[in-house]
Parts: sequence; C-alpha cells; structure tokens
Amino acid sequence: EADIYQTPRYLVIGTGKKITLECSQTMGHDKMYWYQQDPGMELHLIHYSYGVNSTEKGDLSSESTVSRIRTEHFPLTLESARPSHTSQYLCASRRVGGPHEQYFGPGTRLTVT
Amino acid sequence: RKEVEQDPGPFNVPEGATVAFNCTYSNSASQSFFWYRQDCRKEPKLLMSVYSSGNEDGRFTAQLNRASQYISLLIRDSKLSDSATYLCVVNIRGFQKLVFGTGTRLLVSP
Repeated sequence: EADIYQTPRYLVIGTGKKITLECSQTMGHDKMYWYQQDPGMELHLIHYSYGVNSTEKGDLSSESTVSRIRTEHFPLTLESARPSHTSQYLCASRRVGGPHEQYFGPGTRLTVT
Repeated sequence: RKEVEQDPGPFNVPEGATVAFNCTYSNSASQSFFWYRQDCRKEPKLLMSVYSSGNEDGRFTAQLNRASQYISLLIRDSKLSDSATYLCVVNIRGFQKLVFGTGTRLLVSP
C-alpha cells in the first residue's frame, strides 16, 4: 500500500477564494506529480518536481502553482478559485533510479461554486 | 495522434469470461509499460508492470509486442470486482513522466 496522502479529500469553495491542496508522502520519493482528472476523462499532468526546490509545468496549462520545500511535501495552490477549476486533483510520487511506476494519493475532489 | 491509444469500451462480459484489452503506443523510445486499474472516482492503482517476455499475475496476463508497438492485458475468469477502468501507461526514455492512455472500461455482470 502506497504511503501518500492528500487533504482535504473533498472541498467545496466559493469563487475567488485562495486554496491549497496538500500532498505528502512518507516513502522518501524524490519525484512528485500533480494530475487533474475530470469524471470519466483522462489524467492530465499539470505539475511535477524532481526534488526539493525543483518544479516544472506539465502538459496541461494550469493556473495553479506548486512548491517543493521538503521532500515529502508538494502542495498545490490556486490563488483565486473559479468554477472551471472544479475537478479531481491527484498527487503521485515515485523514487529516482527505481522502477518508473508512480503511486497515487486518494485525490482531492474540488468544487468551486 | 495520441502517444498511447486504447479502445474506451465499455467491454461488457459475464462473470467467468475471458477478456482482452490492447493498447498501442506511438513512440519507439518507450521503455517501460504498465497497466493501472482505476475504480470510479478513485485514484489509479498499479495492476502490473509489463515485461518484454510477458508476465502473469494470477488471472492477469500482460504481454508486450515491441515490433508492433502494442501491449495487451488478458483477464481470465472475470469477477464482478474486476469492473473498473484499465489504464495503459508508458514511460518514454528521456522523459521524466508517464504517459497515460484514456482507459478501457470493463463491466462484468452476474
């Protein structure tokens, strides 16, 4: 079982609010990822990180930002939430040098009203 | 053209049936291959890696055909609990990220 956690699991918030989605893992993995997934649709990579102080934008343009100050922690922030941000956000991690498979957290289901 | 292509399904099969999914990939630099399972509104979970020689895990068999650039997943003796979306996933050499297919939905009925 993967040791990767996301909070909150569900969030309903009004337009214009600033929100931070938390992701942490206790496996010592260097690489971490954020994906966005709408119901019944494919995963889209929005951010990733190779390690501390490293962040990169993914394939899907996103208005969110990320930071990586500690190995185990990779939070995602939306400065001003909009209804178009309503989606499921999945965090994943993998270790450097090992198998390429990623382990996913349970996700945060975000609804912006 | 998408990097990884899958038939979205759904595949409707009765319990006990054998079902197979294929997935094609376009980048010849693809080096690692996986099948993930995703239940409705849940996170993807690794089902199995796919090795060049093919590999089996209980009722599940995965195969890789590098010449034709496809991988397959065979499920024998389907159970109701196998109902899910199966994601074909590829790692491309030199890329630091996985490429996910859109998934094939399987529905196993009593």
